[in-house]
Amino acid sequence: LAKTTQPISMDSYEGQEVNITCSHNNIATNDYITWYQQFPSQGPRFIIQGYKTKVTNEVASLFIPADRKSSTLSLPRVSLSDTAVYYCLVGPRGQNFVFGPGTRLSVLP
Amino acid sequence: NAGVTQTPKFQVLKTGQSMTLQCAQDMNHEYMSWYRQDPGMGLRLIHYSVGAGITDQGEVPNGYNVSRSTTEDFPLRLLSAAPSQTSVYFCASSNFRGSLGSTDTQYFGPGTRLTVL
Repeated sequence: LAKTTQPISMDSYEGQEVNITCSHNNIATNDYITWYQQFPSQGPRFIIQGYKTKVTNEVASLFIPADRKSSTLSLPRVSLSDTAVYYCLVGPRGQNFVFGPGTRLSVLP
Repeated sequence: NAGVTQTPKFQVLKTGQSMTLQCAQDMNHEYMSWYRQDPGMGLRLIHYSVGAGITDQGEVPNGYNVSRSTTEDFPLRLLSAAPSQTSVYFCASSNFRGSLGSTDTQYFGPGTRLTVL
């Protein structure tokens, strides 16, 4: 399974756009990129998944360059309630089991 | 739908005791999995199942047993608890069925916080 590298922590202010980048240099052809969000004392929650180019849903956008060796999760206009840990997972669909330490996002007023 | 439910929410064990963490889902999902999360760390896969009667080991299976006799339930058994098993345990399920159109989104339960003294 591809190993991922994310920043350990990030700070932002309310109303700003936040971009969290994940590196996955040895991503395989059949691997997908999936992001989860985890609040304290809760289980992770699915945010978005993509294979290439750009994916957007009501919560976030996921940008994946042509070489797929990295990906960027974009959260538009964050609020205090977006303070959480964000995990980037890379693996075949149905085999996305590897959660690294994630990125701890703190949104400040 | 209740989604994924886990019991108990909290548990304290003494070293050497055994117990079973319960996990149930009412979404008719084929895939179920157990993770543990140590303080400040990501989740690590213990065991997973792709359907009733089928289980497989994850990254950290030692000291844990699972079985999947029904689609709904996936209990995790600690055979002889050790302080190193103090952690928060999460169960998850997914509706993935291997086809291109099926989603592999994992739905997580609220977790069981286990302390082994």
